[in-house]
Amino acid sequence: EVQLVESGGGLVQPGGSLRLSCATSGFTGVGYWMSWVRQAPGKGLEWVATIKEDGFEKHYLDSVKGRFTVSRDSAKNSLFLQMNSLRVEDTAVYYCARESRKALIAVAVWDYWGQGTLVTVSS
Amino acid sequence: DIQMTQSPASLSASVGDRVTITCRASQTVSMYLNWYQQRPGKAPKVLIYAASSLQSGVPSRFSGSGSGTEFTLTISSVQPEDFATYYCQQSYSSPRTFGPGTKVEIK
Repeated sequence: EVQLVESGGGLVQPGGSLRLSCATSGFTGVGYWMSWVRQAPGKGLEWVATIKEDGFEKHYLDSVKGRFTVSRDSAKNSLFLQMNSLRVEDTAVYYCARESRKALIAVAVWDYWGQGTLVTVSS
Repeated sequence: DIQMTQSPASLSASVGDRVTITCRASQTVSMYLNWYQQRPGKAPKVLIYAASSLQSGVPSRFSGSGSGTEFTLTISSVQPEDFATYYCQQSYSSPRTFGPGTKVEIK
């Protein structure tokens, strides 16, 4: 059974840092990109970052570039999000999600999600 | 960035009703369009990928159609567990963007 479990959320002051972790099980990291998607309280979903299975190719939402760093440890089946210079507007539930490529056109779809971890940025 | 819109923003339906949600993209996304369901306090769950393919384990009352810039998600006969918020999402280009969501409520 595929499982993703996030941890590391909490309350932090503006300008502070936090490191989120996502422990995965039930599948090997080979062949799967992994992503972070967030949801501000009462708002919609917003993609944050994606990392390729080899860990070398990474993509970020413009508003987090230079502040957030996504990484993975395939040996430990774990995904991370280092968040620095946090802003009030980064307050959200952060989900990790597995990305699969499906159909003949290899559409990228997030087919497994964790339960989310809440990050609150406030003074 | 590709902007996604959805209509309606919310709707009320009775169990057994047919429900249709529309998603539009600001430019073509070809068939690179997915639909997710999110129940309150839960993580999103993929229902439809590549515009019209049903994710394994998802009931057949859910269906998707469309291509290019206009897409629809249809629930043929709404069940109590279907009352949730539905999001479309494009995987055509980065940044991957979601629609604002459509909340389906019980009438």
